[in-house]
Amino acid sequence: AQSVTQLDSQVPVFEEAPVELRCNYSSSVSVYLFWYVQYPNQGLQLLLKYLSGSTLVKGINGFEAEFNKSQTSFHLRKPSVHISDTAEYFCAVTVSGGYQKVTFGTGTKLQVIP
Amino acid sequence: NAGVTQTPKFRVLKTGQSMTLLCAQDMNHEYMYWYRQDPGMGLRLIHYSVGEGTTAKGEVPDGYNVSRLKKQNFLLGLESAAPSQTSVYFCASRATGGGNQPQHFGDGTRLSIL
Repeated sequence: AQSVTQLDSQVPVFEEAPVELRCNYSSSVSVYLFWYVQYPNQGLQLLLKYLSGSTLVKGINGFEAEFNKSQTSFHLRKPSVHISDTAEYFCAVTVSGGYQKVTFGTGTKLQVIP
Repeated sequence: NAGVTQTPKFRVLKTGQSMTLLCAQDMNHEYMYWYRQDPGMGLRLIHYSVGEGTTAKGEVPDGYNVSRLKKQNFLLGLESAAPSQTSVYFCASRATGGGNQPQHFGDGTRLSIL
């Protein structure tokens, strides 16, 4: 079975500073990886996904993530954050086969400080 | 295009009461899911469906029942509500095509059990 670990429950960062949100996964087979963003009182929205190919994936709102198979990581980065990026971010993993169960991390709350 | 719509958005129940949460999607997706979100625990899968007329248990199914009589609708029922079921409930849907398809979420139902 697959698992996802987001070690940082909260990450405060000043506006216009860079940020990295960490995600590590565990799986015995090949995986697909996702980052979702949840704004207050809303559902989750897809930020970006890694399926195959280039390990650097670009998403919406200037976010990008890098898949590192040897370190089983899929960290999310943004070079300069805005107040509007304040939200909770979830890393998720699926494997092929079956009903493609999605396993979510426990989330990281990004707080952008003016 | 509404996407995934959840009804109601808020509800307060007394212990022992019953209710049904409705999820409707207009994307012709085969797969539908019900999650609950609790602080620090991420999203936990309650039940899911891989097509009209099918349902299956997820990680935390106890105390809940579901039905999918029509492809576009997925209902979550609480037969006898308990305070431990106080949570935010999210419905999601996904197209077939393997684990590489992202999930689309509704905006959630905030449920309080007194």
